[in-house]
Amino acid sequence: AQTVTQSQPEMSVQEAETVTLSCTYDTSESDYYLFWYKQPPSRQMILVIRQEAYKQQNATENRFSVNFQKAAKSFSLKISDSQLGDAAMYFCACGGSQGNLIFGKGTKLSVKP
Amino acid sequence: DAGVIQSPRHEVTEMGQEVTLRCKPISGHDYLFWYRQTMMRGLELLIYFNNNVPIDDSGMPEDRFSAKMPNASFSTLKIQPSEPRDSAVYFCASSRGLLLREQFFGPGTRLTVL
Repeated sequence: AQTVTQSQPEMSVQEAETVTLSCTYDTSESDYYLFWYKQPPSRQMILVIRQEAYKQQNATENRFSVNFQKAAKSFSLKISDSQLGDAAMYFCACGGSQGNLIFGKGTKLSVKP
Repeated sequence: DAGVIQSPRHEVTEMGQEVTLRCKPISGHDYLFWYRQTMMRGLELLIYFNNNVPIDDSGMPEDRFSAKMPNASFSTLKIQPSEPRDSAVYFCASSRGLLLREQFFGPGTRLTVL
């Protein structure tokens, strides 16, 4: 079984600053993937970034990067140069060999101008 | 390419009525997932299919819920009879194989049961 925990229900960041969203997970599988999804007020779920567990190098997508600590089962998301459009719910998810994803409860990110 | 298509986008119905939600996955995707999102419970996986075959329906809350996938391009989630506690946003998602496991989500159906 897999579990995903996001301990920060809400976060706030000043525009142009950097913010880090936390995620911890637990899985018994050796081959798994981790994801961060963004859900803006439009409610569309958008993939932000993906990390393969077998890769040691942290994934990066433009202003978004992760800090993947496999031994600690930690997968945090860093957003640099925050923009107003980054305001959304962010969900961490873990996917195993069965193809399904387990999602955390989400973190609501507010961006202050 | 068209993304995952869901219909209707909004559904308002009265308690006891039958509700049918529809989903068209991305062409070529062989996995299809149904999720329910509520404030209290977050995003829950209800059921998923691989090559039109249900793989895991352990998330389906009770017998009032049923899902079908008659072919690779269409799936339905039915609630009969509906209850106010079924009010939620229902998402359909699809993915291609297990290699990347990235799921592409539809826009969701907001269901309100009065």
